Amino acid sequence: SYELTQPPSVSVSPGQTARITCSGDTLPKQHAYWYQQKPGQAPVLVIFKGNERPSGIPDRFSGSISGTTVTLTISGVQAEDEADYYCQSSGTSGPYVLFGGGTKLTV
Amino acid sequence: QVQLVESGGGVVQTGRSLRLSCAASGFSFNNFAMHWVRQAPGKGLEWVTIIWWDGSYKFYGDSVKGRFTISRDSSKSMVYLQMNSLRAEDTAVYYCARDRHDGYFGMDVWGQGTTVIVAS
Repeated sequence: SYELTQPPSVSVSPGQTARITCSGDTLPKQHAYWYQQKPGQAPVLVIFKGNERPSGIPDRFSGSISGTTVTLTISGVQAEDEADYYCQSSGTSGPYVLFGGGTKLTV
Repeated sequence: QVQLVESGGGVVQTGRSLRLSCAASGFSFNNFAMHWVRQAPGKGLEWVTIIWWDGSYKFYGDSVKGRFTISRDSSKSMVYLQMNSLRAEDTAVYYCARDRHDGYFGMDVWGQGTTVIVAS
């Protein structure tokens, strides 16, 4: 089996840049997705296919990849960005979907 | 608008069964694969299962394989999750989610979830 590894927590001040990483051996071959989840709410897709934003997601959210690590970058962090963030990818043999353990972003 | 609404959650005893439902609206349901994802209290997201747009393929996470069954009714735009032999560790909020249909199994629309509590 494979895993996606995220740091449990990241803390930044308002206006700073937050970077949340997600590491996994299949990431160079399979696209990554990022979800934002606020307390008591369903997850919301914020980045798909590594670096694309759905409509309605602010352009301060961006994604990138380097080797086996993908990064969600939030530029000019706002208080409303405080949430849990999950990366997600899939296996290379069949639709085995996996989530990272999640990162709590504190602003 | 595009919407997914789950129902069917509740409190059930260990070893019993429960069926969850997900009503889809606002999009061409027959064109999309559908997922179930769960989240245990205070824990992260766990993928449960996916059903192809036409119901031809179904895949399951290891923790539910052999106990849970996903199905869909295109005439009603509904997805179901039949959960048998329930265990305490199945206690979670269960989300229905739409597949992005881009070949990499991302999920672009989520319901609000339904809570399942398995008690001994």
